[in-house]
Amino acid sequence: AQSVSQHNHHVILSEAASLELGCNYSYGGTVNLFWYVQYPGQHLQLLLKYFSGDPLVKGIKGFEAEFIKSKFSFNLRKPSVQWSDTAEYFCAVKYVGGAQKLVFGQGTRLTINP
Amino acid sequence: DTAVSQTPKYLVTQMGNDKSIKCEQNLGHDTMYWYKQDSKKFLKIMFSYNNKELIINETVPNRFSPKSPDKAHLNLHINSLELGDSAVYFCASSDTQLAGGPADEQYFGPGTRLTVT
Repeated sequence: AQSVSQHNHHVILSEAASLELGCNYSYGGTVNLFWYVQYPGQHLQLLLKYFSGDPLVKGIKGFEAEFIKSKFSFNLRKPSVQWSDTAEYFCAVKYVGGAQKLVFGQGTRLTINP
Repeated sequence: DTAVSQTPKYLVTQMGNDKSIKCEQNLGHDTMYWYKQDSKKFLKIMFSYNNKELIINETVPNRFSPKSPDKAHLNLHINSLELGDSAVYFCASSDTQLAGGPADEQYFGPGTRLTVT
């Protein structure tokens, strides 16, 4: 079955720390990859996406992610986090050629202490 | 301007009742979705419509019935509500997704928090 796994359920960091959130997906051929963010009380917003080409993609607010095909991974990174990055982060995968749907990971709650 | 809007934002109701949630998008998209986010924040797709036609129907009880009167609207009607239906329901939309093509960004609504007592 198609599935997405986010290893970290809750991550707590101090401001200015570096961030890496893990995301792995089950094998299923060609994929499109996404990271969404949900700030407290708000709807999901797209941080970045990967379709093809350079496996290192840059998104909004200083976030980036690297697609490593051999590891079925799409980890999210930010070199220096801010208090305003406190939110829930979701990795999502679309399996190209399959049903037109996103499969989401279970989310990682990020808490940044000032 | 609100791109994807949902009403109501909060819905508290008793078991056995029937309720509807409405969704509208003003982005000109052809595809709309309903997702359910449970208490553990897990997001799962329920339905997807493209140009008013149902294209995705995950394993959802038939108490849930989506209706798309036009491509800008996708409503969700739930019959005989159960405690387990308590969740946040998100509507989303995107451009037409061609089979085998890349997935365009999905724009999400603010969510409807449904509480069944």
